[in-house]
Amino acid sequence: AQKVTQAQTEISVVEKEDVTLDCVYETRDTTYYLFWYKQPPSGELVFLIRRNSFDEQNEISGRYSWNFQKSTSSFNFTITASQVVDSAVYFCALSERTSGTYKYIFGTGTRLKVLA
Amino acid sequence: DTEVTQTPKHLVMGMTNKKSLKCEQHMGHRAMYWYKQKAKKPPELMFVYSYEKLSINESVPSRFSPECPNSSLLNLHLHALQPEDSALYLCASSQPNGDPQHFGDGTRLSIL
Repeated sequence: AQKVTQAQTEISVVEKEDVTLDCVYETRDTTYYLFWYKQPPSGELVFLIRRNSFDEQNEISGRYSWNFQKSTSSFNFTITASQVVDSAVYFCALSERTSGTYKYIFGTGTRLKVLA
Repeated sequence: DTEVTQTPKHLVMGMTNKKSLKCEQHMGHRAMYWYKQKAKKPPELMFVYSYEKLSINESVPSRFSPECPNSSLLNLHLHALQPEDSALYLCASSQPNGDPQHFGDGTRLSIL
């Protein structure tokens, strides 16, 4: 069965610290997509990144970086020099093809609090 | 500003009322989604429309009735809801090919 595990329920860091959010997934598919979303208190889910199963290159975007490792079925997200504005709930998701379309399997989310 | 627009932003209704939630996108996406999200939980998929046809219904109670009038619009008709239906309702859209879903700001629904 498809499953996404975010074991860290809540993380608190002091501003400027680095923080890594963990995501472990399970799938029997050979082709799949992984995503990270940010949900600030306002409620909207903001898309951060998509990775497909054939692309294991790590990605860096400003203070954000992602480490995708198929060998350990992990897709971890690191924020460097965290800021108060990074405070949000972060969801990792796996995309599953079903009924001719795709649907997300979400992890339970990690609440990040960045303290000034 | 999000590219997926949901109205209203807030809705309070009684258990006997009928209301509708609306969602609109102009990105040319051919898949649209309704999610329900309770506090401190991930979004739960309710319905998926692909090319204006209902392709996934995640065993949602019949008091929720989706409608996709055209490729840009998605409605969720509500009738005889229960207090436990109070939640944030999120709409999303994407191409039906594994592309990222784009979410609206959501409608915060409270059932009295």
